Amino acid sequence: RKEVEQDPGPFNVPEGATVAFNCTYSNSASQSFFWYRQDCRKEPKLLMSVYSSGNEDGRFTAQLNRASQYISLLIRDSKLSDSATYLCVVRNTGGFKTIFGAGTRLFVKA
Amino acid sequence: GAVVSQHPSWVICKSGTSVKIECRSLDFQATTMFWYRQFPKQSLMLMATSNEGSKATYEQGVEKDKFLINHASLTLSTLTVTSAHPEDSSFYICSAQTAGYEQYFGPGTRLTVT
Repeated sequence: RKEVEQDPGPFNVPEGATVAFNCTYSNSASQSFFWYRQDCRKEPKLLMSVYSSGNEDGRFTAQLNRASQYISLLIRDSKLSDSATYLCVVRNTGGFKTIFGAGTRLFVKA
Repeated sequence: GAVVSQHPSWVICKSGTSVKIECRSLDFQATTMFWYRQFPKQSLMLMATSNEGSKATYEQGVEKDKFLINHASLTLSTLTVTSAHPEDSSFYICSAQTAGYEQYFGPGTRLTVT
């Protein structure tokens, strides 16, 4: 089993749709969680950190369920510019080990 | 967000030569930097963790004598691909970690070995 697993993609959605990405992690000692976005042939960019209380940034909402070892990212009112690969990132205590999920590709179409 | 630069952004070299890639954190100090490799349509693969002032920690299967890492200061880490071969052609990305454990990535270096 992979340490970080994400929904297989790609997701094809129309503009304005709401889309949710899921991610599970296997190490219960993991401490920090993030969502990154990677455009084709570009470096990953930090989208948002994920906190136990859940956090929201505009159209993006991230949630963490430690008991189920599950992280989610919700995108509301999808835009064409949201098309990218979304990476779930889990880091263990002390930040010494970072695990990236394989990523979920999102295509938003007009 | 924090800014990380990488140089060069792309390089073409002949088989057998060595290539050095620089990674700099421009507006923060990073005691820890990471080096990744990414092949087309594949996920990032961590190669090594670079800690300032100490030896890098390599992931399993990554040859430390082939991929030399030097983290000489809190803002600079270098990766040298020695005796490069065509199979080393890839997208190499570094990241620098803040005190809050957020990673910021450099723009990547596309290496092509002919």
